[in-house]
Amino acid sequence: AQKITQTQPGMFVQEKEAVTLDCTYDTSDPSYGLFWYKQPSSGEMIFLIYQGSYDQQNATEGRYSLNFQKARKSANLVISASQLGDSAMYFCAMRETARSNTNAGKSTFGDGTTLTVKP
Amino acid sequence: DAGVTQSPTHLIKTRGQQVTLRCSPKSGHDTVSWYQQALGQGPQFIFQYYEEEERQRGNFPDRFSGHQFPNYSSELNVNALLLGDSALYLCASSPGWTGVGETQYFGPGTRLLVL
Repeated sequence: AQKITQTQPGMFVQEKEAVTLDCTYDTSDPSYGLFWYKQPSSGEMIFLIYQGSYDQQNATEGRYSLNFQKARKSANLVISASQLGDSAMYFCAMRETARSNTNAGKSTFGDGTTLTVKP
Repeated sequence: DAGVTQSPTHLIKTRGQQVTLRCSPKSGHDTVSWYQQALGQGPQFIFQYYEEEERQRGNFPDRFSGHQFPNYSSELNVNALLLGDSALYLCASSPGWTGVGETQYFGPGTRLLVL
């Protein structure tokens, strides 16, 4: 069964500094996608970045990058040059996608990390 | 281009009642998934609809049921509400139900309070 673990309930970072949010996952499916979402206090989940299990390069989207270490089953989110507006809950999620997998299409989320950016 | 929309935004019900939540997917998306997010936790997958059929289901009782319409919009129904059903219910849409790289986009959610 797929599982996502986020071991940092809360993180603090100084404005303009970089921060890494940890995510480890467990799956036996060779085909999967990894996602990071941001959830401000308003509640809406905002998509940040995606990494496919077969992607050779680490994904990047603006100030967000994903440090994908497949052998370690790790998919950490790196936010560079933190801004006050980055303060939110961050979720790592995974979806198994092999068509032979009866669980294909289900998404599993971690319990999240609350990031607070200090001025 | 409208994103995912959900209605209502907030709802208060009493135990034993039934509730229907609604979701319209992002333009061009044909797959809708529903999630339950309890306070302080990550979203839990309820089920996913594609081509008007339930394609995947999470570990939720039969009290949770859904429907997808020909225009791809969807409803989540919860019968015999329990206090533990109080949560934020999120709808997500995507342009395919299993493909790698098909990102789900979420709506603003419906906050359900069961008294």
